[in-house]
Amino acid sequence: NAGVTQTPKFQVLKTGQSMTLQCAQDMNHEYMSWYRQDPGMGLRLIHYSVGAGITDQGEVPNGYNVSRSTTEDFPLRLLSAAPSQTSVYFCASSYSIGANTEAFFGQGTRLTVV
Amino acid sequence: GQQVMQIPQYQHVQEGEDFTTYCNSSTTLSNIQWYKQRPGGHPVFLIQLVKSGEVKKQKRLTFQFGEAKKNSSLHITATQTTDVGTYFCVEVRAGGTSYGKLTFGQGTILTVHP
Repeated sequence: NAGVTQTPKFQVLKTGQSMTLQCAQDMNHEYMSWYRQDPGMGLRLIHYSVGAGITDQGEVPNGYNVSRSTTEDFPLRLLSAAPSQTSVYFCASSYSIGANTEAFFGQGTRLTVV
Repeated sequence: GQQVMQIPQYQHVQEGEDFTTYCNSSTTLSNIQWYKQRPGGHPVFLIQLVKSGEVKKQKRLTFQFGEAKKNSSLHITATQTTDVGTYFCVEVRAGGTSYGKLTFGQGTILTVHP
């Protein structure tokens, strides 16, 4: 199994540009989420989904959109990139039922906005 | 909202010394998970604690959940250079519409000097 696959690994954007960070998992997990990691602040939740067709906002959703048309994919869209969105982005998936909620993370996308 | 405070932010030890990181909350936690992130890597699940007063061991790592479920700790005995990384405690919501939602502590960055 590939687990959680994120693309791209690195990206440089100019202010105002838009792009989509891809995330796919092959474990049939219902729960998927996006985090950003900034120095000294841990991982902060951007958006999450408890199943296909269902999404909700996390702690820092402004400037980001998500959709969940299939169980496998959960793309994150930056609408108009800003320097404040320079960060490392992680996608994660887990089962949402029962006590087995171990989260599996992708390798991360390092985004720089200039 | 729920906040999980983690201390210390940084810890430098000599190889062979012990290491402990603490996680505290002002309210009762549903479940606690611990993750390790190697430099340049992604978070990897270590353990989940569910019961009040629970203690779990993994080789040199000991995890505890407080009796009141408001704090948790991770203790590493006789650190090795392979223990280098950031350790996160993570609150896992266990009910309602936020089921499975992860809230990360700020993390403790461990450096081990050989």
